[in-house]
Amino acid sequence: KNQVEQSPQSLIILEGKNCTLQCNYTVSPFSNLRWYKQDTGRGPVSLTIMTFSENTKSNGRYTATLDADTKQSSLHITASQLSDSASYICVVETGTASKLTFGTGTRLQVTL
Amino acid sequence: GAVVSQHPSWVICKSGTSVKIECRSLDFQATTMFWYRQFPKQSLMLMATSNEGSKATYEQGVEKDKFLINHASLTLSTLTVTSAHPEDSSFYICSATGQGFSRYFGAGTRLSVL
Repeated sequence: KNQVEQSPQSLIILEGKNCTLQCNYTVSPFSNLRWYKQDTGRGPVSLTIMTFSENTKSNGRYTATLDADTKQSSLHITASQLSDSASYICVVETGTASKLTFGTGTRLQVTL
Repeated sequence: GAVVSQHPSWVICKSGTSVKIECRSLDFQATTMFWYRQFPKQSLMLMATSNEGSKATYEQGVEKDKFLINHASLTLSTLTVTSAHPEDSSFYICSATGQGFSRYFGAGTRLSVL
Protein backbone atom coordinates (compact mmCIF):
# COMPACT_ATOMS: atom_id res chain seq x y z
CA LYS A 1 0.00 0.00 0.00
CA ASN A 2 1.32 3.43 -0.93
CA GLN A 3 2.02 5.49 2.18
CA VAL A 4 3.66 8.77 3.10
CA GLU A 5 4.64 9.37 6.70
CA GLN A 6 5.78 12.68 8.09
CA SER A 7 7.49 13.68 11.29
CA PRO A 8 7.16 15.43 13.57
CA GLN A 9 3.39 15.84 13.66
CA SER A 10 3.81 19.31 15.07
CA LEU A 11 6.65 21.66 15.84
CA ILE A 12 7.02 25.00 17.60
CA ILE A 13 10.10 27.12 16.95
CA LEU A 14 11.22 30.66 17.65
CA GLU A 15 11.29 33.20 14.86
CA GLY A 16 14.64 33.24 13.13
CA LYS A 17 15.49 29.63 13.93
CA ASN A 18 15.91 26.86 11.38
CA CYS A 19 13.99 23.59 11.29
CA THR A 20 13.89 20.36 9.31
CA LEU A 21 10.81 18.32 8.54
CA GLN A 22 11.00 14.66 7.58
CA CYS A 23 9.11 12.51 5.10
CA ASN A 24 9.35 8.75 4.51
CA TYR A 25 7.43 7.10 1.73
CA THR A 26 6.58 3.71 0.35
CA VAL A 27 5.15 4.57 -3.04
CA SER A 28 5.71 2.58 -6.18
CA PRO A 29 6.34 3.27 -8.94
CA PHE A 30 7.81 6.61 -7.95
CA SER A 31 7.40 9.62 -10.22
CA ASN A 32 8.14 12.68 -8.11
CA LEU A 33 7.99 14.06 -4.58
CA ARG A 34 6.45 17.40 -3.71
CA TRP A 35 6.37 19.61 -0.68
CA TYR A 36 3.37 21.87 -0.18
CA LYS A 37 2.59 24.59 2.34
CA GLN A 38 -1.00 24.78 3.50
CA ASP A 39 -2.23 27.70 5.56
CA THR A 40 -5.25 27.04 7.76
CA GLY A 41 -8.43 27.12 5.69
CA ARG A 42 -6.57 27.44 2.40
CA GLY A 43 -5.49 25.13 -0.39
CA PRO A 44 -1.95 23.75 -0.63
CA VAL A 45 0.70 25.84 -2.36
CA SER A 46 3.63 24.15 -4.07
CA LEU A 47 7.10 24.68 -2.61
CA THR A 48 9.24 22.15 -4.49
CA ILE A 49 8.93 19.22 -6.88
CA MET A 50 11.72 16.66 -7.22
CA THR A 51 12.05 13.78 -9.62
CA PHE A 52 14.02 10.59 -9.06
CA SER A 53 17.30 12.08 -10.27
CA GLU A 54 17.18 15.21 -8.13
CA ASN A 55 18.80 15.22 -4.69
CA THR A 56 18.04 18.76 -3.62
CA LYS A 57 15.94 21.71 -4.66
CA SER A 58 15.61 25.14 -3.15
CA ASN A 59 12.88 27.75 -3.19
CA GLY A 60 13.97 30.79 -1.24
CA ARG A 61 14.36 29.82 2.41
CA TYR A 62 12.99 26.34 1.71
CA THR A 63 15.36 23.54 0.72
CA ALA A 64 14.12 20.04 0.02
CA THR A 65 16.27 16.93 -0.23
CA LEU A 66 15.46 13.54 -1.67
CA ASP A 67 17.15 10.19 -1.14
CA ALA A 68 15.42 7.83 -3.54
CA ASP A 69 17.40 4.85 -2.26
CA THR A 70 16.16 5.15 1.31
CA LYS A 71 12.86 6.73 0.20
CA GLN A 72 13.30 9.71 2.46
CA SER A 73 12.91 13.42 1.97
CA SER A 74 13.39 16.45 4.16
CA LEU A 75 12.31 20.06 4.03
CA HIS A 76 14.65 22.55 5.67
CA ILE A 77 13.38 26.01 6.52
CA THR A 78 16.02 28.64 7.16
CA ALA A 79 15.60 31.77 9.28
CA SER A 80 11.96 31.08 10.02
CA GLN A 81 9.36 33.83 9.92
CA LEU A 82 5.97 34.13 11.60
CA SER A 83 4.37 33.67 8.18
CA ASP A 84 5.93 30.22 7.92
CA SER A 85 3.35 28.99 10.45
CA ALA A 86 1.33 26.45 8.47
CA SER A 87 1.04 22.77 7.71
CA TYR A 88 3.72 21.32 5.45
CA ILE A 89 2.62 18.37 3.41
CA CYS A 90 4.83 15.83 1.67
CA VAL A 91 3.18 14.37 -1.43
CA VAL A 92 4.44 11.57 -3.64
CA GLU A 93 3.16 11.00 -7.14
CA THR A 94 3.10 7.52 -8.61
CA GLY A 95 4.27 6.86 -12.12
CA THR A 96 0.95 5.30 -13.05
CA ALA A 97 -2.32 7.22 -13.26
CA SER A 98 -0.57 10.30 -11.84
CA LYS A 99 -2.04 9.65 -8.40
CA LEU A 100 -0.86 11.70 -5.47
CA THR A 101 -0.37 10.17 -2.04
CA PHE A 102 -0.49 12.78 0.69
CA GLY A 103 1.25 12.73 4.02
CA THR A 104 -0.68 13.90 7.07
CA GLY A 105 1.53 16.94 7.33
CA THR A 106 3.64 18.67 9.94
CA ARG A 107 2.04 21.60 11.71
CA LEU A 108 4.67 24.28 12.20
CA GLN A 109 4.16 27.20 14.54
CA VAL A 110 6.70 30.00 14.56
CA THR A 111 6.54 32.19 17.64
CA LEU A 112 8.20 35.36 18.90
CA GLY B 1 1.68 31.85 -12.64
CA ALA B 2 -1.16 29.43 -13.11
CA VAL B 3 -4.13 29.97 -10.84
CA VAL B 4 -7.01 27.76 -9.87
CA SER B 5 -10.02 29.64 -8.60
CA GLN B 6 -12.54 27.93 -6.36
CA HIS B 7 -15.91 29.37 -5.41
CA PRO B 8 -17.47 29.79 -2.95
CA SER B 9 -14.86 29.82 -0.23
CA TRP B 10 -17.42 29.14 2.48
CA VAL B 11 -20.99 27.95 2.37
CA ILE B 12 -23.54 27.16 5.05
CA CYS B 13 -26.63 25.24 4.06
CA LYS B 14 -29.55 23.41 5.60
CA SER B 15 -29.63 19.65 5.70
CA GLY B 16 -31.24 18.22 2.58
CA THR B 17 -30.26 21.01 0.24
CA SER B 18 -27.74 20.79 -2.59
CA VAL B 19 -24.57 22.84 -2.89
CA LYS B 20 -22.50 23.49 -6.01
CA ILE B 21 -18.79 24.26 -5.86
CA GLU B 22 -16.99 25.65 -8.89
CA CYS B 23 -13.36 25.17 -9.83
CA ARG B 24 -11.83 27.19 -12.65
CA SER B 25 -8.40 27.21 -14.19
CA LEU B 26 -7.84 30.90 -14.90
CA ASP B 27 -4.92 31.00 -17.32
CA PHE B 28 -4.48 27.48 -18.57
CA GLN B 29 -6.56 24.62 -19.90
CA ALA B 30 -7.01 21.73 -17.53
CA THR B 31 -8.03 18.48 -19.15
CA THR B 32 -7.95 16.81 -15.75
CA MET B 33 -9.19 18.16 -12.46
CA PHE B 34 -9.26 16.47 -9.09
CA TRP B 35 -11.62 16.87 -6.15
CA TYR B 36 -10.42 16.30 -2.60
CA ARG B 37 -12.01 16.37 0.82
CA GLN B 38 -10.11 17.24 3.96
CA PHE B 39 -11.31 16.79 7.54
CA PRO B 40 -9.70 18.76 10.37
CA LYS B 41 -6.09 17.79 11.05
CA GLN B 42 -6.23 15.11 8.37
CA SER B 43 -4.67 14.72 4.97
CA LEU B 44 -6.38 15.46 1.67
CA MET B 45 -8.38 12.50 0.44
CA LEU B 46 -9.04 12.13 -3.27
CA MET B 47 -12.74 11.88 -4.04
CA ALA B 48 -12.77 11.79 -7.82
CA THR B 49 -10.85 12.56 -10.99
CA SER B 50 -12.65 14.71 -13.49
CA ASN B 51 -11.80 14.59 -17.19
CA GLU B 52 -13.16 17.14 -19.60
CA GLY B 53 -15.97 15.77 -21.70
CA SER B 54 -16.22 12.41 -19.96
CA LYS B 55 -17.58 10.90 -16.78
CA ALA B 56 -15.64 11.39 -13.58
CA THR B 57 -13.79 8.52 -11.97
CA TYR B 58 -14.71 8.14 -8.32
CA GLU B 59 -12.55 6.68 -5.58
CA GLN B 60 -13.76 3.68 -3.67
CA GLY B 61 -16.31 4.61 -1.05
CA VAL B 62 -17.32 7.91 -2.67
CA GLU B 63 -20.95 7.96 -3.75
CA LYS B 64 -21.16 9.25 -7.31
CA ASP B 65 -24.87 10.01 -6.98
CA LYS B 66 -24.23 12.16 -3.95
CA PHE B 67 -21.19 13.99 -5.25
CA LEU B 68 -22.00 14.97 -8.82
CA ILE B 69 -19.07 16.14 -10.89
CA ASN B 70 -19.34 17.95 -14.19
CA HIS B 71 -16.32 18.94 -16.29
CA ALA B 72 -17.99 20.54 -19.28
CA SER B 73 -15.10 22.70 -20.42
CA LEU B 74 -11.33 22.80 -20.25
CA THR B 75 -11.45 25.52 -17.60
CA LEU B 76 -14.38 24.58 -15.39
CA SER B 77 -15.29 21.64 -13.21
CA THR B 78 -18.12 21.62 -10.69
CA LEU B 79 -18.84 19.48 -7.67
CA THR B 80 -22.43 19.32 -6.46
CA VAL B 81 -23.11 17.87 -3.04
CA THR B 82 -26.68 16.64 -3.30
CA SER B 83 -29.01 16.36 -0.31
CA ALA B 84 -26.25 17.46 2.01
CA HIS B 85 -26.16 16.19 5.57
CA PRO B 86 -24.09 17.31 8.57
CA GLU B 87 -21.59 14.50 7.98
CA ASP B 88 -20.80 16.07 4.60
CA SER B 89 -19.44 19.13 6.38
CA SER B 90 -15.81 19.32 5.37
CA PHE B 91 -13.21 21.27 3.44
CA TYR B 92 -13.41 20.56 -0.29
CA ILE B 93 -10.42 21.34 -2.51
CA CYS B 94 -10.04 21.10 -6.25
CA SER B 95 -6.83 20.69 -8.18
CA ALA B 96 -5.85 20.95 -11.82
CA THR B 97 -2.88 19.68 -13.77
CA GLY B 98 -0.79 22.19 -15.63
CA GLN B 99 2.33 21.75 -17.72
CA GLY B 100 4.73 18.96 -16.82
CA PHE B 101 4.38 17.88 -13.22
CA SER B 102 2.61 21.05 -12.14
CA ARG B 103 -0.44 20.57 -9.98
CA TYR B 104 -2.31 23.63 -8.78
CA PHE B 105 -4.82 23.68 -5.96
CA GLY B 106 -7.79 25.90 -5.34
CA ALA B 107 -8.15 27.79 -2.08
CA GLY B 108 -10.80 25.36 -0.90
CA THR B 109 -14.46 25.54 0.07
CA ARG B 110 -15.57 25.08 3.63
CA LEU B 111 -18.99 23.45 3.70
CA SER B 112 -21.06 23.55 6.87
CA VAL B 113 -24.35 21.65 6.81
CA LEU B 114 -26.74 22.52 9.61
